[in-house]
Amino acid sequence: EADIYQTPRYLVIGTGKKITLECSQTMGHDKMYWYQQDPGMELHLIHYSYGVNSTEKGDLSSESTVSRIRTEHFPLTLESARPSHTSQYLCASSRGGGYQETQYFGPGTRLLVL
Amino acid sequence: AQSVTQLGSHVSVSEGALVLLRCNYSSSVPPYLFWYVQYPNQGLQLLLKYTSAATLVKGINGFEAEFKKSETSFHLTKPSAHMSDAAEYFCAVSQSTGFQKLVFGTGTRLLVSP
Repeated sequence: EADIYQTPRYLVIGTGKKITLECSQTMGHDKMYWYQQDPGMELHLIHYSYGVNSTEKGDLSSESTVSRIRTEHFPLTLESARPSHTSQYLCASSRGGGYQETQYFGPGTRLLVL
Repeated sequence: AQSVTQLGSHVSVSEGALVLLRCNYSSSVPPYLFWYVQYPNQGLQLLLKYTSAATLVKGINGFEAEFKKSETSFHLTKPSAHMSDAAEYFCAVSQSTGFQKLVFGTGTRLLVSP
C-alpha cells in the first residue's frame, strides 16, 4: 500500500490569496495525479504527471498549476483563489502500467475560499 | 470515450442484509474497472479491480464484483452488511492500453441501519 500525504487537510482562505496544496508520496511512484471533487459529485482529473519535469492537464479545465521537480512531490498552486475554487482536491500516485497499475489516493485537502 | 453510471445516489440496507451497488460502464476498448470506497473526511481506498482475468473479483472487507460484458456491468456486492460499511462507493473505468486515466461515477452513499 502506498503512503501518500496531503497538507493541509483543511484550508479556509480569502479571495485573491495564493495557495499551494502539497502532495508527497514515499513509494517512488512515477505517476501522480490531482483530482477535484465537489460534494456529492464524481472526481475529475485536473492534472497528471508521468515523472519528473512532466506535467499534463486533465479532463477538467482548472486554473491551478502543478510542478514535478522531485519524484515524490507534486504540489498544486492557485495564484489567486476564488470562491469557485472551493472544492476537495485529491492527490493520487501509481507505478507501472497495464493490469498491475493501481492508483493510491491521499486523504484530500478541503479548500474553502471566502 | 469512457463513462460510468452508478444507479442510485443512496442505498439503505439493514445490518446483515445483502449489499448491492450498481455500476454500468461504457468503453470503446476493453476496460479495467475499479471500485473505491471513501470514508468521511478520508481519501479513496481501493476495494477491488478487474483487469480481464477472472470475471468474479474478490476484494477487501468481504466485497466482490462480477464483470458482465454482455450487460456492461460491474456491480459490487457483499453478502452481509456491517455498520462499518457505511461510506461512499465509487465505480471507475480506465482503458486497458496507454495512460491509466480513471473516469469515475458519481458515487453511491451506502447507509447501514442497525
